Amino acid sequence: QVQLVQSGAEVKKPGASVKVSCKASGYTFSRFGMHWVRQAPGQRLEWMGWINAGNGNTKYSQKFQGRVTINRDTSARIVYMELSSLSSEDTAVYFCARDDFADYDPYFHYWGQGTLVTVSS
Amino acid sequence: QSVLTQPPSVSGAPGQRVTISCTGRSSNIGAGYDVHWYQQLPGTAPKLLIFGNNNRPSGVPDRFSGSKSGTSASLAISGLQAEDEADYYCQSYDSSLSAPYVFGTGTKVTVL
Repeated sequence: QVQLVQSGAEVKKPGASVKVSCKASGYTFSRFGMHWVRQAPGQRLEWMGWINAGNGNTKYSQKFQGRVTINRDTSARIVYMELSSLSSEDTAVYFCARDDFADYDPYFHYWGQGTLVTVSS
Repeated sequence: QSVLTQPPSVSGAPGQRVTISCTGRSSNIGAGYDVHWYQQLPGTAPKLLIFGNNNRPSGVPDRFSGSKSGTSASLAISGLQAEDEADYYCQSYDSSLSAPYVFGTGTKVTVL
């Protein structure tokens, strides 16, 4: 079965960077894209970016452009999301989500368990 | 940034039917893009509930159904059960924004 297992919680100081990993199993890694979605406390879901796990192409939300980098290690089946210049507003749970599309516009079929990133001085 | 609007909360007694609306605009739902729905239980990751407007993934009870018309979509839960108490989000694609994948504002379903 498809599984996405994320790295553990992180505590960072303002101005620092954080790198969160998402290890995939149970499917052909290169066939599907991986997205990163975050959720601040009590807030809605917010899309951050996406990587084509096959060719490595990426697309980022303009909100995070210049601060976020998504890459992957194909042999290890891991996707990484790095967010820099952290502020308290980046305190959130970060999810990876594998897409699917079939005959429809892309949706997020499988989700990681989430990684809490806390930014505090 | 959010361009999909949902009611903050809906409630119903066990066994009742509730609906959640998701209102978009001409650049997303109105442009013909599909709407998908997710259920998020407290403290957990979202779970895909409906994809492609009205399709249920394997394992999702047929009490959940979706529809789309014009610039809006709806999620219906019939035979409401205690375990349905959760947050629900719609999601679609938007051609006009810097973030092409957009989520709704979220709706808290309370079982009375």
